[in-house]
Amino acid sequence: KAGVTQTPRYLIKTRGQQVTLSCSPISGHRSVSWYQQTPGQGLQFLFEYFSETQRNKGNFPGRFSGRQFSNSRSEMNVSTLELGDSALYLCASSLGIAGTETQYFGPGTRLLVL
Amino acid sequence: QQQVKQSPQSLIVQKGGISIINCAYENTAFDYFPWYQQFPGKGPALLIAIRPDVSEKKEGRFTISFNKSAKQFSLHIMDSQPGDSATYFCAASASTGTASKLTFGTGTRLQVTL
Repeated sequence: KAGVTQTPRYLIKTRGQQVTLSCSPISGHRSVSWYQQTPGQGLQFLFEYFSETQRNKGNFPGRFSGRQFSNSRSEMNVSTLELGDSALYLCASSLGIAGTETQYFGPGTRLLVL
Repeated sequence: QQQVKQSPQSLIVQKGGISIINCAYENTAFDYFPWYQQFPGKGPALLIAIRPDVSEKKEGRFTISFNKSAKQFSLHIMDSQPGDSATYFCAASASTGTASKLTFGTGTRLQVTL
């Protein structure tokens, strides 16, 4: 079985731009969670989607949004980028909702905001 | 109450030694405690996980010890090898509610020397 894939792997943007990151979960997994990883804040939960519905959300501003498609693939969007948004964005998938099932992580998308 | 506190921040162990990483939590709703291993440039990978109905779980050289009354859990790596050099994250989640997402500790950078 293929693992969680994320595209693109690297991205450079400038302040004020917006960005869309993509995540393809493991086949059969219905839950996709997104995390932001930075040296200062560690791994922070952004949101979780299950069956195309956002079921949980972390403490991030509304500039961070996401969606999930019927095939469980998920996208995350960040609008009006700020320097502090530079981070590794990780996607994790699980069979059931997060908290009840093991989450498997992708390699991440490294975003640099200049 | 959602925090998971992890120590030490970094750890140097000789080959063949025992590596011990500790975590503590506050939220009594947490009922799933995984440990993740992350190598540079990779996403976190599940190492071992425990639920509070058992006090210890062993998989190969890796053991989780769990103390429900103290709200603490720890990872022991026996016969540590240079290939174990990585960053280790403890995490916790609840089966339901807003805590049904992985809350991560701050990470421990382990270096195993020859």
